[in-house]
Amino acid sequence: GENVEQHPSTLSVQEGDSAVIKCTYSDSASNYFPWYKQELGKGPQLIIDIRSNVGEKKDQRIAVTLNKTAKHFSLHITETQPEDSAVYFCAPHSEGGTSYGKLTFGQGTILTVHP
Amino acid sequence: NAGVTQTPKFQVLKTGQSMTLQCAQDMNHEYMSWYRQDPGMGLRLIHYSVGAGITDQGEVPNGYNVSRSTTEDFPLRLLSAAPSQTSVYFCASSPGQGAAGGANVLTFGAGSRLTVL
Repeated sequence: GENVEQHPSTLSVQEGDSAVIKCTYSDSASNYFPWYKQELGKGPQLIIDIRSNVGEKKDQRIAVTLNKTAKHFSLHITETQPEDSAVYFCAPHSEGGTSYGKLTFGQGTILTVHP
Repeated sequence: NAGVTQTPKFQVLKTGQSMTLQCAQDMNHEYMSWYRQDPGMGLRLIHYSVGAGITDQGEVPNGYNVSRSTTEDFPLRLLSAAPSQTSVYFCASSPGQGAAGGANVLTFGAGSRLTVL
């Protein structure tokens, strides 16, 4: 199965700074790389994803970059705001394989943005 | 469109009691799954289903049962609650193979916080 590691486990930044969270995986067959955001008291929600035919994807202040050779991908948040404070999870997997909705998640990164 | 609905939101049990966490989705998703979330452990898969009548075990299935009699519902049963089952439980659904947006894009419920004394 997929072995997923996420770093750092906690990240504290000042409002306006950038934040980067890295996810390392083991299965070379993985071809879909999502990031989920979990706000306090809620379930995780998909915020951005990338597939292995592209190296970077942006959506306003958030971006995901992929290095398939090194088997890692990263979440980048620029101009952080207090509402970015949450727990972030990665969940790399093979979309065309036998994942069947049963994903292996990273341990999570607690991001705190101080006003 | 409600998405994924979980009930109850909070529950306190005594050791040895049984209960069922309910999960329903209204998106006609093929796949459904149950995860538990513990501090520092991320989300761990308990059971999953790829369609009505089909279920299988995930990473931490012991002490839990599931069934999927309809596409919409996927209840999680605790057979004899233990303090180690104190956790937050999340039900999730995803479209399934062939979906345009991605087979495994998960939609989560709001969670059920269970305490076993």
